[in-house]
Amino acid sequence: NAGVMQNPRHLVRRRGQEARLRCSPMKGHSHVYWYRQLPEEGLKFMVYLQKENIIDESGMPKERFSAEFPKEGPSILRIQQVVRGDSAAYFCASSPTGTGETVGANVLTFGAGSRLTVL
Amino acid sequence: QKEVEQNSGPLSVPEGAIASLNCTYSDRVSQSFFWYRQYSGKSPELIMSIYSNGDKEDGRFTAQLNKASQYVSLLIRDSQPSDSATYLCAVKGGNQFYFGTGTSLTVIP
Repeated sequence: NAGVMQNPRHLVRRRGQEARLRCSPMKGHSHVYWYRQLPEEGLKFMVYLQKENIIDESGMPKERFSAEFPKEGPSILRIQQVVRGDSAAYFCASSPTGTGETVGANVLTFGAGSRLTVL
Repeated sequence: QKEVEQNSGPLSVPEGAIASLNCTYSDRVSQSFFWYRQYSGKSPELIMSIYSNGDKEDGRFTAQLNKASQYVSLLIRDSQPSDSATYLCAVKGGNQFYFGTGTSLTVIP
């Protein structure tokens, strides 16, 4: 059972280019979370998605950032017109269910991350 | 916005000692609590989850939860150099997982 798969693992972009990060959740998981981590800092929530729906995007910058989780295929985090401040590790995590407080459920499993460097 | 607070450290303990990591959270409704370990340059990995008041033991790790005090801790017994990492406390409320900024632990051989 493959874990959460993220690609690319490393991505280098020049300022103004677009970055696309992909995430395939664990088998049986239908909830995807994206987090950003700057060097020496904690995980910052960006967006929570289910298939074809954005549930919570309160952590996403209002401009240049978008996310989707189509019916078929991986979740994609898209950053348009990248700037140097976008350089970070972007982690995707999946969960078997995202609602409620059911004891024993709702554990997040992380992918290996995508490290974006903007030159 | 729920808040999860951790001492950033760094925390240093000698090999074989007990390492104690602490976390407080602001939302009394939260029901699920987690400890993740993150090695430098790697992704977080789950080491403990706890849902009820009291202690939960798993090998050298013990998680302690006190909902009345909104406090969750992680004890690592017989600390090993391989335990050197950043430990992230996470709290789940509704659909969301809220993470602390992490405590850096160094186990000195």
